[in-house]
Formats: sequence, structure tokens, C-alpha cells
Amino acid sequence: DTGVSQDPRHKITKRGQNVTFRCDPISEHNRLYWYRQTLGQGPEFLTYFQNEAQLEKSRLLSDRFSAERPKGSFSTLEIQRTEQGDSAMYLCASSPRQAHTQYFGPGTRLTVL
Amino acid sequence: EDKVVQSPLSLVVHEGDTVTLNCSYEVTNFRSLLWYKQEKKAPTFLFMLTSSGIEKKSGRLSSILDKKELFSILNITATQTGDSAVYLCAVVPYALNFGKGTSLLVTP
Repeated sequence: DTGVSQDPRHKITKRGQNVTFRCDPISEHNRLYWYRQTLGQGPEFLTYFQNEAQLEKSRLLSDRFSAERPKGSFSTLEIQRTEQGDSAMYLCASSPRQAHTQYFGPGTRLTVL
Repeated sequence: EDKVVQSPLSLVVHEGDTVTLNCSYEVTNFRSLLWYKQEKKAPTFLFMLTSSGIEKKSGRLSSILDKKELFSILNITATQTGDSAVYLCAVVPYALNFGKGTSLLVTP
């Protein structure tokens, strides 16, 4: 399968714990995006990488959220001290250079108890 | 502030009907508008529109963009139960700004 992959697909955690999600983009896609989606809403942009550089971060991304893409390939999204309001589907997408079409992974569904 | 508004928010139709979904937007540095279909999983890409007045078509689905009036429509003809999904519109300054989606239910 050469699509975008995300791991884990589901994560249940207790409030206050740290969680880390991984995204593997389509190979040769140099742009990688993280979104968050809650029920009844469209995905909300969180952050965007071009190669290993994090070029944009949403105001939604509090200090408890950090994302990395150290070698310009896979990316991780870490949430520290999780809160119940962090419960959502976290989607990763990638796109090739100079293209706007983004291809989404299956998402990681986070439930914070 | 950038804004993407979709209407209606939900729609129930009978198989065979034709539906029109609307997306209006206000964004700075508009580059393109994309339509996605989302079933119980991640969004899947349908169309990307960058030029005004040019219809994109794929089977029973078609879409057109009006950059002067800042809106796009997605048409689905001869709807089938498999078309039941949330249809998302997104515009690109740099990342995708999504609307809330239109939830379409096609009943047999």
C-alpha cells in the first residue's frame, strides 16, 4: 500500500498522559499536514511541513502540541498532558511539490478519558 | 479571517434524484478549491478547481467554480445509496481550510 499511513489507528488515554502519533506520507511527497477533526466538523488545520521544515502552525496548536518531521519523511505529533477536549480524529495528509491536492491517511482516533 | 461555508448542512434524497451542494468562501490568497468525500474514514479526493467557469466531471459528479462570486457547486446526478457521505469543500491558501461539510443521505 503506497498511501498515507498513520499509527496507531486508535488511542485511548487518561487525562494528563502524553501521546504520540506517527504519519508516513506517500513517498516523494515533500509536504505533510496535520489536521484535527471532531464530530460534525470539517478537518481543522494544525500544522504543515515542507520537507523537514515546519512552515505553518495554527493558532489551535497550543504549547502542549508539538510536531516534528526530522528527516523530511515521516512525522510525529505529540500531545502532552492530554485533556478531554483533545479527543478527536487526527488526520495526516501529504501532497507532492507544487500540487494542492492532499491525500489523507486513515487517521488516529484519540479518546481522552 | 478565512471562511468556508457549505450548504445545506444535511440533505436526504431518494435514489435517482439530482443534488447540488454549495460552497462559498472568503480567503486571502486563494489558490484552489477542493472537494472531498468522507464516509466513515478519512476524506477522499474528488476534484480540484483553480479556474473559474471550467466544469470538472467524473461520472455522475461534476463541479464548477465561480471566482468572481466566490463559490463552487458540486452536482451529483442519478444519486445512489453509495453516494451517502459527508461532502467537504476546502480552499487552499497554503493548507486546506475546510467547511463543515454537507451530510448527504440517499435512501433507496
